[in-house]
Amino acid sequence: GNSVTQMEGPVTLSEEAFLTINCTYTATGYPSLFWYVQYPGEGLQLLLKATKADDKGSNKGFEATYRKETTSFHLEKGSVQVSDSAVYFCALRNLLNSGGSNYKLTFGKGTLLTVNP
Amino acid sequence: NAGVMQNPRHLVRRRGQEARLRCSPMKGHSHVYWYRQLPEEGLKFMVYLQKENIIDESGMPKERFSAEFPKEGPSILRIQQVVRGDSAAYFCASSPARVGEQYFGPGTRLTVT
Repeated sequence: GNSVTQMEGPVTLSEEAFLTINCTYTATGYPSLFWYVQYPGEGLQLLLKATKADDKGSNKGFEATYRKETTSFHLEKGSVQVSDSAVYFCALRNLLNSGGSNYKLTFGKGTLLTVNP
Repeated sequence: NAGVMQNPRHLVRRRGQEARLRCSPMKGHSHVYWYRQLPEEGLKFMVYLQKENIIDESGMPKERFSAEFPKEGPSILRIQQVVRGDSAAYFCASSPARVGEQYFGPGTRLTVT
C-alpha cells in the first residue's frame, strides 16, 4: 500500500535559520507528492506539489524535489521566518490506486515547526 | 470566494451521545472528502461523497459512523454512541473534480469524555 513517513517534530529554529523536514514515501508507480501547511486555527493549505520524478515544487521560499531513486520529497527553506511557524504535512496521491481510488490523499503524521525571533 | 467551512470547530460529547459534524464545501465544488486525524497520527481518508451519493466509504468504521451530502445543505458526518477512541480532529475537503486539488476546512476537534 501507500505510506508516507516524515520527520518527527517538534522542530524549533531561530529566525533566518535553514529548514529541512524529511519526507519519504512508499507507493507503486508514480505518485504525485504534496506538502501541506496548517497554520494555527486554520485548515490545511497546499504549499507545493510535484507530479513526476525530478520535478521541483516551490512556493513562498519553500522547495521540495521529487526524488524517485530515494523515494523522498524533503521540504527546505533557506531562511525561515516567525510567520512560518505551523504544522507541515507531507502527502501523496497515487493515480494507480486500485479500484480507481486515485482521489485519496495519504498523509504523514505532520511536523510542528516553531520559529523564534 | 469563501473557503471550506466546518462547524462546530470544537465539540465535546459524553460517551454514548451522538456527534454531528458539518462541512460546507467551497462554492462550485460537488466533491467532498472526510479525513480523520487521531492523536499522534496523520490524516486518514474516511469517505468520499458527491451530491446525494457515497462514492467510497472504505475508510469509515463499519459501525456507528455515517456520512451524507444532500442535494441542499452541508455534508454531515454522524457518529452515534461515541466512545473515547472517537476523540480526534475531523477534516473535510472539497474539490471541483474527482482528481482535482482538495481544499481543506479548519477541522472539527471532537473530544469524548
